[in-house]
Amino acid sequence: GENVEQHPSTLSVQEGDSAVIKCTYSDSASNYFPWYKQELGKRPQLIIDIRSNVGEKKDQRIAVTLNKTAKHFSLHITETQPEDSAVYFCAHQGGSEKLVFGKGTKLTVNP
Amino acid sequence: GAGVSQSPSNKVTEKGKDVELRCDPISGHTALYWYRQSLGQGLEFLIYFQGNSAPDKSGLPSDRFSAERTGGSVSTLTIQRTQQEDSAVYLCASSFFDQPQHFGDGTRLSIL
Repeated sequence: GENVEQHPSTLSVQEGDSAVIKCTYSDSASNYFPWYKQELGKRPQLIIDIRSNVGEKKDQRIAVTLNKTAKHFSLHITETQPEDSAVYFCAHQGGSEKLVFGKGTKLTVNP
Repeated sequence: GAGVSQSPSNKVTEKGKDVELRCDPISGHTALYWYRQSLGQGLEFLIYFQGNSAPDKSGLPSDRFSAERTGGSVSTLTIQRTQQEDSAVYLCASSFFDQPQHFGDGTRLSIL
């Protein structure tokens, strides 16, 4: 009940295009959904998060959408730049309070 | 203020030896988490401490792994009789109750 599936595992886009990463979970008690960005050799850093009482949240070029009925949430990056290249992890937190992470998406933005 | 601090940043040891990894969370954070990240893989949950509650040890892969958190602050992850498959980056994170988790830089553990 705690697993989260993340797709795609790799994503390559041209600079300026949009990138979308999707995650699906099964725990109906999940109520917190963060996204982390991890550059090579560095720590994961929180870039945006959403709680279950909200359907969408936006921060400049980054947005997250949540569909609790379908149990999926997505990360949207618009006007991508080379510095957006990294591995992105979705996660969810339910009744157990621990974060369960997806396996990650390696995003490459080509100049 | 200071972020989550982990030490050592790198550790190389021989198979069969015991290792201790340290995590110093952000001051005032009530929750502390340990994760393991193998090369090119996702984050595997190991153990979670919240205040004075009993820790959630459900992610520890074997009884060779243990962790403690003294005084509600610093935590030590101990791996006994290390094996080559223990090689990974061990990440610590802390949070204030259910607020977002902040990660340290990790300890890169290599077992020869």
